[in-house]
Amino acid sequence: QKEVEQDPGPLSVPEGAIVSLNCTYSNSAFQYFMWYRQYSRKGPELLMYTYSSGNKEDGRFTAQVDKSSKYISLFIRDSQPSDSATYLCAMSPRDDKIIFGKGTRLHILP
Amino acid sequence: DTEVTQTPKHLVMGMTNKKSLKCEQHMGHRAMYWYKQKAKKPPELMFVYSYEKLSINESVPSRFSPECPNSSLLNLHLHALQPEDSALYLCASSQYPRVGSSGEAFFGQGTRLTVV
Repeated sequence: QKEVEQDPGPLSVPEGAIVSLNCTYSNSAFQYFMWYRQYSRKGPELLMYTYSSGNKEDGRFTAQVDKSSKYISLFIRDSQPSDSATYLCAMSPRDDKIIFGKGTRLHILP
Repeated sequence: DTEVTQTPKHLVMGMTNKKSLKCEQHMGHRAMYWYKQKAKKPPELMFVYSYEKLSINESVPSRFSPECPNSSLLNLHLHALQPEDSALYLCASSQYPRVGSSGEAFFGQGTRLTVV
């Protein structure tokens, strides 16, 4: 079993819809969870960072972490065509490493 | 300012060339990272520098040689690369060497390297 599992998609949704992106993980040592957005041929851009379980909201983005289920989510409200990108979940135990999911390709259809 | 700057943006080099990738940040971060990313794959960690000292080398071939001249700069020296080394090379930084305790890790835009 891979440490971090993420459906690669592609996921296509109409503009204005709520998008739900998810990752599961197997390592209970992970405590720090991040979501990155990566446009084609660009570096990853940090969207959300959360510690342990709970929710965090920033504008149209909400990140959820459920450590008991080893499951994290990113919700995007009022999705826009400019949200079309690859979304990478990432997580870290208490060391220097960031473990990335494979990324989900998201297409928002105008 | 949450910017990590990488130069050059694009690089084409022959298998006998020697070149260097550069990364700079002025956020006072004390950890800097090199990642390699192939198309449609997640970034793969290569090296971590903590307080200007190499703390992690993920079994990277010696044709890749990192250098951290000071707390703001990170270089990756390239020599005798192979075509399969063609990829996007990403630099990242975080406030403290332990990503978790620092919170965020910020990435540069990457150098797209093509080895011919």
